[in-house]
Amino acid sequence: QSVLTQPPSVSGAPGQRVTISCTGSSSNIGAGHDVHWYKQLPGANPKLLIYDNSKRPSGVPDRFSGSKSGASASLAITGLQAEDEADYYCQSSDSSLTASRGFVFGTGTRVTVL
Amino acid sequence: QVQLVQSGAEVKKAGASAKVSCKASGYTFTLYYMHWVRQAPGQGLEWMGIINPSGATTTYAQKFQGRVTMTRDTSTSTVYMELTSLTSEDTAVYYCARAQGSTLEGFFDNWGQGTLVTVSS
Repeated sequence: QSVLTQPPSVSGAPGQRVTISCTGSSSNIGAGHDVHWYKQLPGANPKLLIYDNSKRPSGVPDRFSGSKSGASASLAITGLQAEDEADYYCQSSDSSLTASRGFVFGTGTRVTVL
Repeated sequence: QVQLVQSGAEVKKAGASAKVSCKASGYTFTLYYMHWVRQAPGQGLEWMGIINPSGATTTYAQKFQGRVTMTRDTSTSTVYMELTSLTSEDTAVYYCARAQGSTLEGFFDNWGQGTLVTVSS
């Protein structure tokens, strides 16, 4: 029931660059709502990775970057490392009058380091 | 430092209710909205609703309206989430998450450790 669509999985070798897309619609990302990203290790709670489309909280390496265009957003990880293996979720807000109204998450993407 | 400490795991029978607590520390409790997000086993994150600890106003996701109640106790800096009429589909880890932003815009900068609620038939 997620309204933001992400690829189920992406993979890359150590040192490579991978990107994760987050596709929304005219009632969420396309309406101008900001996009935020979280990293979740197995068995752990999510951690904020990117906020307001492209800003990094203190302590997040600059290998992680975010962007937004139209009704979509992307997370890029450069110089892929073993500790980047995790699930990643995008999040935004939805201002429709349907059941989706409120905060919405992406479907999630599993990043595998080969 | 900001800490959100949740209550322990619960096992409930179908049809019962579950009440999860989240005790905040390290910041002024009434200045930040608190949300509840759940994650079913092997699934993604699902937003449930928000409470304003200052005025206790709430907004719930349409899916949970009529079944969820979020409350707070300012004397102990604790928020609560109660979910009634449980079914096996409510088996999930429930997280509280502090928000930066407004009522229906923003992001979650701190999360609780999660509380597993298991519903058995």
